[in-house]
Amino acid sequence: EVQLVESGGGLVKPGGSLRLSCAASGFTFSSYSMNWVRQAPGKGLEWVSSISSSSSYIYYADSVKGRFTISRDNAKNSLYLQMNSLRAEDTAVYYCARDLGGTTAYFDLWGRGTLVTVSS
Amino acid sequence: DIQMTQSPSSLSASVGDRVTITCRASQGITTYLAWYQQKPGRVPKLLIYAASTLQPGVPSRFSGSGSGTDFTLTISSLQPEDVATYYCQKYNSAPWTFGQGTKVEIK
Repeated sequence: EVQLVESGGGLVKPGGSLRLSCAASGFTFSSYSMNWVRQAPGKGLEWVSSISSSSSYIYYADSVKGRFTISRDNAKNSLYLQMNSLRAEDTAVYYCARDLGGTTAYFDLWGRGTLVTVSS
Repeated sequence: DIQMTQSPSSLSASVGDRVTITCRASQGITTYLAWYQQKPGRVPKLLIYAASTLQPGVPSRFSGSGSGTDFTLTISSLQPEDVATYYCQKYNSAPWTFGQGTKVEIK
């Protein structure tokens, strides 16, 4: 089955760190760019970060630049998001999503998400 | 950065009505525009890409149009299962910005 499964969410104190993972299966992971998108409770979708298929190109939203680091391991079919210096406003469901990059960089497969709560 | 603005923020329509949602980009993005549907409590789902190409499996009552800065998502005959929030997204270059969403309800 073609799917993405996120893990690693939880409750963390402001200033703390968390590492999210996204396990891919059922497709050739190394052929796709990958993304993190988040959704705060009751709010809309916010793109967070993207990484190209070979990790050559990495992008971040201004809201997380310098605090979050995206990475991937194509041998393990896995995507990661290292989140440091977490703030209350980072509280959200974090989704991973794939895209084919270039002119086809729309997100055609999403995971079910993992909830990150930043609170003291 | 290019901003994406959707209108309206919410709408209520009757079953069978034609529904139109608008998305405006602050700069031209040719047709690098996707539409997503997110039903309550569910994961976002790709409906349309390249402004007007229907993702396989999406009902034909959904259609998209536009290029440059102005785009529309149309539901030709609203069904109860279409209750959801709809988002546009630009994907020509980073950042891959989403619109703020349009919540569609049944009257």
